[in-house]
Amino acid sequence: AQSVTQLDSQVPVFEEAPVELRCNYSSSVSVYLFWYVQYPNQGLQLLLKYLSGSTLVKGINGFEAEFNKSQTSFHLRKPSVHISDTAEYFCAVTQYSSASKIIFGSGTRLSIRP
Amino acid sequence: GAVVSQHPSRVICKSGTSVKIECRSLDFQATTMFWYRQFPKQSLMLMATSNEGSKATYEQGVEKDKFLINHASLTLSTLTVTSAHPEDSSFYICSATTGVHYNEQFFGPGTRLTVL
Repeated sequence: AQSVTQLDSQVPVFEEAPVELRCNYSSSVSVYLFWYVQYPNQGLQLLLKYLSGSTLVKGINGFEAEFNKSQTSFHLRKPSVHISDTAEYFCAVTQYSSASKIIFGSGTRLSIRP
Repeated sequence: GAVVSQHPSRVICKSGTSVKIECRSLDFQATTMFWYRQFPKQSLMLMATSNEGSKATYEQGVEKDKFLINHASLTLSTLTVTSAHPEDSSFYICSATTGVHYNEQFFGPGTRLTVL
């Protein structure tokens, strides 16, 4: 079984400051990792994904994440945030097999202060 | 590509009535669709997994007689909340996957259900 832990329920940062949203996972098998963003009253949008290969993954809106197998982490980073980045961010994991269900973390609310 | 739609986007109903929510994959065939429920300020909780032409697989604690799921075609799955009550009020999100390559799920925009 897999599990995902997002330690920070809320992260307030000032506009143009860097941000890191933490995500740790647990799994006995190889997994795929994802970060999704959810704006108020909307569905989920995929920010980026790690399938294999380079451990540094670049996504949309200037976000990137680094897969660290030894620390079982997949932290999300952005060097300079914008007001429009205010949203809920979910880390997720799924195992290697067709149509496996995704396990979501509890989410981190990113709030940007002007 | 890979667009998933949901209808309706918002529905308000009286207690005791049934509500049907549709999930469609617009530009691909979805072998598997998933239904999630999200309470305010919480994460998505998987309710059930449905494969085209077969019975849905429900997660533990989800009442299959209350949340009826039908996946009649490769582009359409429906969730019917039967005899809805105020505690069923929630945000319902569906996702779809082709089951090909890795199993990326494409999410719909969600349906806000309010039961009065």
